[in-house]
Amino acid sequence: GAVVSQHPSWVICKSGTSVKIECRSLDFQATTMFWYRQFPKQSLMLMATSNEGSKATYEQGVEKDKFLINHASLTLSTLTVTSAHPEDSSFYICSAKSKKGGYQPQHFGDGTRLSIL
Amino acid sequence: DQQVKQNSPSLSVQEGRISILNCDYTNSMFDYFLWYKKYPAEGPTFLISISSIKDKNEDGRFTVFLNKSAKHLSLHIVPSQPGDSAVYFCAAIGGGADGLTFGKGTHLIIQP
Repeated sequence: GAVVSQHPSWVICKSGTSVKIECRSLDFQATTMFWYRQFPKQSLMLMATSNEGSKATYEQGVEKDKFLINHASLTLSTLTVTSAHPEDSSFYICSAKSKKGGYQPQHFGDGTRLSIL
Repeated sequence: DQQVKQNSPSLSVQEGRISILNCDYTNSMFDYFLWYKKYPAEGPTFLISISSIKDKNEDGRFTVFLNKSAKHLSLHIVPSQPGDSAVYFCAAIGGGADGLTFGKGTHLIIQP
């Protein structure tokens, strides 16, 4: 089945550091990738939608200068948390959708646990 | 406001019996619904989906029912097996948006 790989799975770093998270679709071409965030006991919340070759679309309340998204190819999207602070500590997870038309299930990576000290 | 609601944080079911997980939504623009299953330290895995033009979709032990007038869907698992123990997320999509709106999840525990 479809596989989405996300790396790293866990990051601990100091406040002020920038952190890059990679999301790769391993066996299909993903025109659209999504980034979600989950705080404890909350649901997965969509942060941004990333289309290959174009600028990401951010959800309301998500700072685009804080969370930089690059989707340079059909198999790779990256999320960079710039100048991370403790309140950015969360579980970040990506998903990807294939090029097929209509509604297609999104396939998720295993997530990245980000802890900012 | 929570547009997709899973009001039961947890559910315990005996092995072999039927598990019924419920989900309610408020946004009438949603027209496609999905269930995902999640084990600890892993990402959600797609389980089953249903379009708003249908009221039932079945795949093996899993059946999803949709009641549009009530804005309610449910996932039935029968018979329940120990490997079904996981967190189940209900998700919805529609209105031209591509991203999923998730519920908070229900932790299903299958007891031997």
